Amino acid sequence: EIVLTQSPGSLSVSPGERATLSCRTSQSVSSSHLAWYQQRPGQAPRLLIYDTFSRATGVPDRFSGSGSGTDFTLTITRLEPEDFAVYYCQQYGTSPPYTFGQGTKVEMK
Amino acid sequence: EVQLVESGGGLVQPGGSLRLSCAASGITFSSYWMTWVRQAPGKGLEWVANIMQDGSEKYYVDSVKGRFTISRDNSKNSLYLQMNSLRAEDTAVYYCASEVYYYYGIDVWGQGTTVTVSS
Repeated sequence: EIVLTQSPGSLSVSPGERATLSCRTSQSVSSSHLAWYQQRPGQAPRLLIYDTFSRATGVPDRFSGSGSGTDFTLTITRLEPEDFAVYYCQQYGTSPPYTFGQGTKVEMK
Repeated sequence: EVQLVESGGGLVQPGGSLRLSCAASGITFSSYWMTWVRQAPGKGLEWVANIMQDGSEKYYVDSVKGRFTISRDNSKNSLYLQMNSLRAEDTAVYYCASEVYYYYGIDVWGQGTTVTVSS
């Protein structure tokens, strides 16, 4: 089973600033099949990024994904009030289970 | 509109059983892998199990192997999770989910159903 470690656990950022979230995998993720999700309180998760770089339909371009191998990053430029939430990465390795990271909470400073 | 609606959650004693259901609409259900994801109170997301389009392949996270069984009925557009030998640590919101529009990213989620294992 591939273990995903997200850092930091929480991040305090002011609106309009940039947030950089990290996700490290215990094994190389094949073909960079890594996804990022946003979860607001009381809501189901929402897919933001798939295949490391690609934004899902309707996701603003202030969200971007990068990385390869075992190190991946979600960057949110110009944070909006609705962006304060918990973010999870998920890997799609060679076979299931397709594990999630433990999450990074982005809080308003 | 694509929709997944879970049902069957509730309060169950340790060692008990529960069967969750997920009704799909707005998609050709038989074309997609289906997944269960859970979230314990105040905790992160945990991938639980998934099942291939025709039900021939099933995968589980180690913590539920031998206790949970995922299944589907394509004629009813429905996904199931049979949970046996339930433990307190199985307490969570259980989401039915699928990669519909993207191969490597869950883009369709249900609203979740709550399972509480307690005496």
